[in-house]
Amino acid sequence: SQQGEEDPQALSIQEGENATMNCSYKTSINNLQWYRQNSGRGLVHLILIRSNEREKHSGRLRVTLDTSKKSSSLLITASRAADTASYFCATGPNSGSARQLTFGSGTQLTVLP
Amino acid sequence: EADIYQTPRYLVIGTGKKITLECSQTMGHDKMYWYQQDPGMELHLIHYSYGVNSTEKGDLSSESTVSRIRTEHFPLTLESARPSHTSQYLCASSEYSLWAETQYFGPGTRLLVL
Repeated sequence: SQQGEEDPQALSIQEGENATMNCSYKTSINNLQWYRQNSGRGLVHLILIRSNEREKHSGRLRVTLDTSKKSSSLLITASRAADTASYFCATGPNSGSARQLTFGSGTQLTVLP
Repeated sequence: EADIYQTPRYLVIGTGKKITLECSQTMGHDKMYWYQQDPGMELHLIHYSYGVNSTEKGDLSSESTVSRIRTEHFPLTLESARPSHTSQYLCASSEYSLWAETQYFGPGTRLLVL
């Protein structure tokens, strides 16, 4: 089963509003990342948060991580129509030599002008 | 934009044809990956490579094969395409890291098998 699951599956907001997406995971991690995917394109890395960090900011993005609840949230402030995309969380395992990322199912964000 | 390229971007072919999806990167990354993604769905890792002459199968079983003869090149081959292979295929690469890796993705190849 998927390691990461995003919630909600789809979100539609007005331009200027804030968008919050959540990610839950099951196993121990050493980092969690958020990626963005525009329709029909590849993924683009947005931000990485380490397991010993609780919050991280990058421009209009704010990521939180709660390892006790095995969950993370991505907040996009003052959203723009150009933020319309799918957002995926990806977890990096805490053990094992492979250290492959496991991607969640994604949240489709639509920002209406 | 990452320096990772995929060709073709779109491919429509008939059942039974052999196809090769190309992926190349100019970042000198050791690790490369192939993911399969249906529209609006999660990514499934089907192949990865640690470096030249290294290939491993991913979490999702796939009838495709890969090769890694050169660091920058990681092609995926389907010997006999079927309609069930219709999907988007994403290639990615990353630097080797003992701690964490950030992956860089190509634009993807959309495959339609009739």
